[in-house]
Amino acid sequence: KAGVTQTPRYLIKTRGQQVTLSCSPISGHRSVSWYQQTPGQGLQFLFEYFSETQRNKGNFPGRFSGRQFSNSRSEMNVSTLELGDSALYLCASSDRRESGGLGTGELFFGEGSRLTVL
Amino acid sequence: GQQLNQSPQSMFIQEGEDVSMNCTSSSIFNTWLWYKQDPGEGPVLLIALYKAGELTSNGRLTAQFGITRKDSFLNISASIPSDVGIYFCAGRRSGYALNFGKGTSLLVTP
Repeated sequence: KAGVTQTPRYLIKTRGQQVTLSCSPISGHRSVSWYQQTPGQGLQFLFEYFSETQRNKGNFPGRFSGRQFSNSRSEMNVSTLELGDSALYLCASSDRRESGGLGTGELFFGEGSRLTVL
Repeated sequence: GQQLNQSPQSMFIQEGEDVSMNCTSSSIFNTWLWYKQDPGEGPVLLIALYKAGELTSNGRLTAQFGITRKDSFLNISASIPSDVGIYFCAGRRSGYALNFGKGTSLLVTP
């Protein structure tokens, strides 16, 4: 079974630009979560999607957005990039079948997209 | 999200030594997970815990779900150089996102 796939692995942007990151979950998983990882803050939760609906949202500004498609693939977008947005963006999928419901809820991570903002 | 306090922040040990790290929360969790992250990689799930008091092993790794449901610990026995990495605890309340501790960086010298 293929794992979580994230693209691109690395990218460099300049302040003010926008970026879109993509995530393909493990086959059969319908829940996708996004995390931002920085050395100082650790893993910070961005949002979680299940069946194309956002189920949970972290404490990030509106510049950070996401969506999930009918095939469970997900994208996240960051607009008007700032230097502080430089981070490793991790996507994780799980077999949660509904919010707080069935499934183990264990998250399986991709290798991440390393974003550098200059 | 719920605050998770993970300690120690870092450990520097010799090969063969045992390691212990723990995580405490201000909230009660239904699930505790332990992950390891190698440089340039995403976190990899090591152990999952679902019931208070549960003790689970995965090879040389043992983790326990605290009976108060507000803490968990991870032990690594007879450490080896490939145990090097950052270990994260994570906890979840039903219906909420998984929250992570800030990690324990483990260095093992031969």
